Amino acid sequence: AQSVSQHNHHVILSEAASLELGCNYSYGGTVNLFWYVQYPGQHLQLLLKYFSGDPLVKGIKGFEAEFIKSKFSFNLRKPSVQWSDTAEYFCAVTGEYGNKLVFGAGTILRVKS
Amino acid sequence: EAGVTQFPSHSVIEKGQTVTLRCDPISGHDNLYWYRRVMGKEIKFLLHFVKESKQDESGMPNNRFLAERTGGTYSTLKVQPAELEDSGVYFCASSHRRVRGGYTFGSGTRLTVV
Repeated sequence: AQSVSQHNHHVILSEAASLELGCNYSYGGTVNLFWYVQYPGQHLQLLLKYFSGDPLVKGIKGFEAEFIKSKFSFNLRKPSVQWSDTAEYFCAVTGEYGNKLVFGAGTILRVKS
Repeated sequence: EAGVTQFPSHSVIEKGQTVTLRCDPISGHDNLYWYRRVMGKEIKFLLHFVKESKQDESGMPNNRFLAERTGGTYSTLKVQPAELEDSGVYFCASSHRRVRGGYTFGSGTRLTVV
């Protein structure tokens, strides 16, 4: 069965600090990978997704993620966080032809101004 | 375009009562998904509709949960009778059959069973 592991449950950073959130998945075949964000009081929004091609994926709001197949990882990065990045971040995966998302437990990011 | 709408946004019910959650997907989206997040845990898949048919209901926890999508438009998720462990946030998502990975989520229904 597929599973997703997010390494940190809570992260606190100061504004302008760099961010890296870890995500590892367990799945034997081809996967599609996603990062979602949920701002306080809002719905889940897609930050970026990877299906194939360039393993470095650029998303919205300055976020990017790198797919490293050999490490089964899809870490999320942002060079300089802002207070408005305070939110919960979810890594998720589907199989190549699958539809259902398998989520990690989420990482709560708090950015101090 | 209008997003995915869920209501109610919050529901507090007593153990043993019945609650019905509703999800209105984006118009034209054949795929509709229900997910649930129990406090502190990961978001877990419940089931997937393609139009009015249940494509995958492997995540439904037990027979106290009944999901329907009559006419292939909105969907309801009924919990009867509710138990304390059913508390959590229930999310709905929809996607178009031709847009790979194009899931749009609703804001969720926070269900509290007391």
